[in-house]
Amino acid sequence: QKEVEQNSGPLSVPEGAIASLNCTYSDRGSQSFFWYRQYSGKSPELIMSIYSNGDKEDGRFTAQLNKASQYVSLLIRDSQPSDSATYLCAVKGNNRLAFGKGNQVVVIP
Amino acid sequence: DTEVTQTPKHLVMGMTNKKSLKCEQHMGHRAMYWYKQKAKKPPELMFVYSYEKLSINESVPSRFSPECPNSSLLNLHLHALQPEDSALYLCASSQDLNEKLFFGSGTQLSVL
Repeated sequence: QKEVEQNSGPLSVPEGAIASLNCTYSDRGSQSFFWYRQYSGKSPELIMSIYSNGDKEDGRFTAQLNKASQYVSLLIRDSQPSDSATYLCAVKGNNRLAFGKGNQVVVIP
Repeated sequence: DTEVTQTPKHLVMGMTNKKSLKCEQHMGHRAMYWYKQKAKKPPELMFVYSYEKLSINESVPSRFSPECPNSSLLNLHLHALQPEDSALYLCASSQDLNEKLFFGSGTQLSVL
């Protein structure tokens, strides 16, 4: 089982809709969870971090963490064309940071 | 604007060349990293410098060598690279090890 797994993509969503991305992880002792956004040809940019079970909202982004089920998700509300990017899930455990393969999101105007 | 500065943004080099990538962070962070990223793949950790200690991913070939002149600078020396080393090289820093990483703009490297 891979350390961090993300859904295969790409995910196409109409403008204004909600984009939902999921990430599962294998290390039950993982402590810190991050979502990065990466535009094509650019470097990753941290958009969310979450450390405890539940929801964390920041603008149009909501991260959800469920440690019992070992998943973390990212919701993008009111999706905009500028949200079209690859979203990388990253999980810290055993003093390592493991990245998922990423999910490409395409917002259709 | 990112506070992690990487130079150069693009680099083309032959297999016999020696070049260096430079990275500087202005946030007083205590950890700095070099990652390699191939197209449509996640970043792969190459080196970490934290608390004056350098940690190396053992799968990284010796033709890559890091240098940390001080806590805000982390350079990557390149020598006798292979075409398969062509990739986006990313520098990052964080206040605490493996916590919120802030990436520089990256160096797109092509080895001919």
